[in-house]
Amino acid sequence: DAGVIQSPRHEVTEMGQEVTLRCKPISGHDYLFWYRQTMMRGLELLIYFNNNVPIDDSGMPEDRFSAKMPNASFSTLKIQPSEPRDSAVYFCASTDKKKEDTQYFGPGTRLTVL
Amino acid sequence: RKEVEQDPGPFNVPEGATVAFNCTYSNSASQSFFWYRQDCRKEPKLLMSVYSSGNEDGRFTAQLNRASQYISLLIRDSKLSDSATYLCVVTLNAGGTSYGKLTFGQGTILTVHP
Repeated sequence: DAGVIQSPRHEVTEMGQEVTLRCKPISGHDYLFWYRQTMMRGLELLIYFNNNVPIDDSGMPEDRFSAKMPNASFSTLKIQPSEPRDSAVYFCASTDKKKEDTQYFGPGTRLTVL
Repeated sequence: RKEVEQDPGPFNVPEGATVAFNCTYSNSASQSFFWYRQDCRKEPKLLMSVYSSGNEDGRFTAQLNRASQYISLLIRDSKLSDSATYLCVVTLNAGGTSYGKLTFGQGTILTVHP
């Protein structure tokens, strides 16, 4: 099993630029989660999907953030325009809720906005 | 008050020591409880679930006290490889087709030295 795949692993961009983070969940998993981790705030849930439908986006910080899941094997998190305070590690995770509560995390994307 | 609070740490212990981490949660409706482990610059991974009756996995023992809203993790005979950040995680299971999101504590850093 390849696990959750995220790309890019590292992204450095300048303030005002658009950033797109990508995630491929584990095949067969019906839930997908986007998290953000910073030293100050720890690990925060941004949004999650069930069967490609957004269920709870209350953690999305503001309108500059958007997430999509066009099919069961792909999701994107977009930040437009990016700001320095968006610098963080962004994790994607997936789970098969019918089987278990645990979530499997991808390796994360380390975003730096200059 | 944070939803999940952990010992601030860091904990620095010698190999072979026994170390205990504590965690409290604020929402009495929390249903599921976990300990995750996160290595430096890596993604969180499930260490173990926590059950009301308490559970053990090798050198690791987890306890849950619902009345006090308190979770603990005990590590016996610490190994160098146990050095990591330990995250306390709780979830509200909303029932039906919805899914309770994971809420993470800030984490406790453990360093085991020779």
